[in-house]
Amino acid sequence: GQQLNQSPQSMFIQEGEDVSMNCTSSSIFNTWLWYKQDPGEGPVLLIALYKAGELTSNGRLTAQFGITRKDSFLNISASIPSDVGIYFCAVMNYGGSQGNLIFGKGTKLSVKP
Amino acid sequence: NAGVTQTPKFQVLKTGQSMTLQCAQDMNHNSMYWYRQDPGMGLRLIYYSASEGTTDKGEVPNGYNVSRLNKREFSLRLESAAPSQTSVYFCASSGTGGVGYTFGSGTRLTVV
Repeated sequence: GQQLNQSPQSMFIQEGEDVSMNCTSSSIFNTWLWYKQDPGEGPVLLIALYKAGELTSNGRLTAQFGITRKDSFLNISASIPSDVGIYFCAVMNYGGSQGNLIFGKGTKLSVKP
Repeated sequence: NAGVTQTPKFQVLKTGQSMTLQCAQDMNHNSMYWYRQDPGMGLRLIYYSASEGTTDKGEVPNGYNVSRLNKREFSLRLESAAPSQTSVYFCASSGTGGVGYTFGSGTRLTVV
């Protein structure tokens, strides 16, 4: 099936730092989503992107839908401890064995020791 | 405002035992999904139900069965649990024309 490649797989954050992660695909998709999973919980939708080149913010989070429609970026500014968790990118892709959403494998944010 | 409710939250099974994971949503969503999450593997779709009365296999259906009992409820059954089925299981739902899924808080299953 289709795959989304997320990077980095994991990263450590120090409070106040800016964080960037990205997600790429070999195919074009028209809707990109970013989810966050807090420890012990299910993923929650953060941002949805519908238009190539679109830049959308949600508080300290900013996501961009790549102009080629094959990638997306998520930035977190001035990180705080509650930003820890796993961030998943996803694309809408109706039908098939992967259902209507294809997920990346996630980027795990942890606090720098 | 419950959203998607999964039961139980935790379960330990012995190899060969059977059990059913329950999922219910109160958002009048048509589609429901079962995922498993393993470290480094992301979310993998086990089965889904596009609408009441239909079910389809996902990426990793072997060893599982599902039942879409009604529009609200979608259960996942392990007939003969194996250690390889140790995982965190998530149920999710989505509505027609809606964006993305709403997830439950998960069932952490250990098979010993």
